[in-house]
Amino acid sequence: NAGVTQTPKFQVLKTGQSMTLQCAQDMNHEYMSWYRQDPGMGLRLIHYSVGAGITDQGEVPNGYNVSRSTTEDFPLRLLSAAPSQTSVYFCASREGLAHKSYNEQFFGPGTRLTVL
Amino acid sequence: AQSVTQLDSHVSVSEGTPVLLRCNYSSSYSPSLFWYVQHPNKGLQLLLKYTSAATLVKGINGFEAEFKKSETSFHLTKPSAHMSDAAEYFCVVSGYGGATNKLIFGTGTLLAVQP
Repeated sequence: NAGVTQTPKFQVLKTGQSMTLQCAQDMNHEYMSWYRQDPGMGLRLIHYSVGAGITDQGEVPNGYNVSRSTTEDFPLRLLSAAPSQTSVYFCASREGLAHKSYNEQFFGPGTRLTVL
Repeated sequence: AQSVTQLDSHVSVSEGTPVLLRCNYSSSYSPSLFWYVQHPNKGLQLLLKYTSAATLVKGINGFEAEFKKSETSFHLTKPSAHMSDAAEYFCVVSGYGGATNKLIFGTGTLLAVQP
């Protein structure tokens, strides 16, 4: 049981490049989400999904796309990278649908992204 | 609307002394509250959670937190700090109703433990 895995661990992009951050979980969790962590700001929700084929925006969705074709995978796409997207990105998953937000979230180890 | 405020961005204690990390919350609904810990260059790990059962919640590694509705607080405590407790701690709120899918994170408290 690997839990939540993320790749890559580190990435450097140039402004305007696109890339996909990968996230996978092997716990059969319905709910998955992406956060970004910036100094002094805690974690902010980018996008989330309550199941395959269902996604919704979080607090800071601009510049990011997501899709959920399987229960296991939830990739995050940066369409045209900007320096403001330099951050640490965490993927998380938990059991249960919308009304079980009290369940523990399991976090991946993070992707540290730098946009030059 | 929900929000969470961590009152201290940095806390420094000596090894063996008590730890107090303060958190106040605001929620229009009956909240669920969590404390997560993040060690350097690691992901977040759940320390403990409150979900409207006992108001005193015990977590891992000797930490506990007390939910006080009248004070809208959920402070994290530990009787005796260890060097391994040095990390960043996040207070998190989640409420029922329209925002059930979203956790709101505090800005974090960095705990330093001096030998």
